[in-house]
Amino acid sequence: NAGVTQTPKFRVLKTGQSMTLLCAQDMNHEYMYWYRQDPGMGLRLIHYSVGEGTTAKGEVPDGYNVSRLKKQNFLLGLESAAPSQTSVYFCASSYPGTSLIPETQYFGPGTRLLVL
Amino acid sequence: KQEVTQIPAALSVPEGENLVLNCSFTDSAIYNLQWFRQDPGKGLTSLLLIQSSQREQTSGRLNASLDKSSGRSTLYIAASQPGDSATYLCAVRGYSTLTFGKGTMLLVSP
Repeated sequence: NAGVTQTPKFRVLKTGQSMTLLCAQDMNHEYMYWYRQDPGMGLRLIHYSVGEGTTAKGEVPDGYNVSRLKKQNFLLGLESAAPSQTSVYFCASSYPGTSLIPETQYFGPGTRLLVL
Repeated sequence: KQEVTQIPAALSVPEGENLVLNCSFTDSAIYNLQWFRQDPGKGLTSLLLIQSSQREQTSGRLNASLDKSSGRSTLYIAASQPGDSATYLCAVRGYSTLTFGKGTMLLVSP
C-alpha cells in the first residue's frame, strides 16, 4: 500500500494564480483532512471531510476550497494564491474512531508551496 | 478554543540521556491525546495515543502519560539515540478535530 500520497511535492506560484493540490489514499479511509504547517504556528486544520461528497471548514479555511468527489481523493484548491498561503500542506486520512479503537490519522509527505 | 503548548521548543542532549517532553492543553474535555514524530521534510508519524480514560501508554523506549484533569502530558524517552532526533508534536482530540502543539525539536548528539 502506498498509504497517503500528495501531488505535487513542490510548487512555486505567482500571486493571483490558481492551483489544486491532490491527496490520495489507498486505505479505504472515510475521513480526510488538509492541514497547513507554518514556522512557529504548528499544524492548523484547513478543511476536512467525513465521507465522499462531504466537506467541512476547519480552523483556517479562508482562501481555500476542497472537494471529495471520490472516497480515495481529497482536493485542495487555491483560486487566487496569496503570499500568505506560502506554507507546507499536509493531507491526512483516518477511519472513524470507536470506543474500542480510537481514530489515528495517517499523514502524507507534504507539499511545499511558495507564492511569490 | 483549545490551545496546546509544548515545552521546551528545542532540546539538545548527548546520546544515552533520558529525557522528558512536556505538553499542556487548556480544555480538559478531550477524547484522546497523541504524540507524533516529524522528521525534516517529512510527514507525521503517530508514536503513542492515550485515551482520555487512560493514564499512560508505552512503546519500546517511549512512555507517554496523561493527566487530563490538570491538562498535562509528558513523553519520556529512555536512553536517547541519534536516530531519535526529530520534532515531536503533541495533539489533542476534541469533538471532531485534532489540535496540535508547535512541537519540540530534539537533537541527540553522538
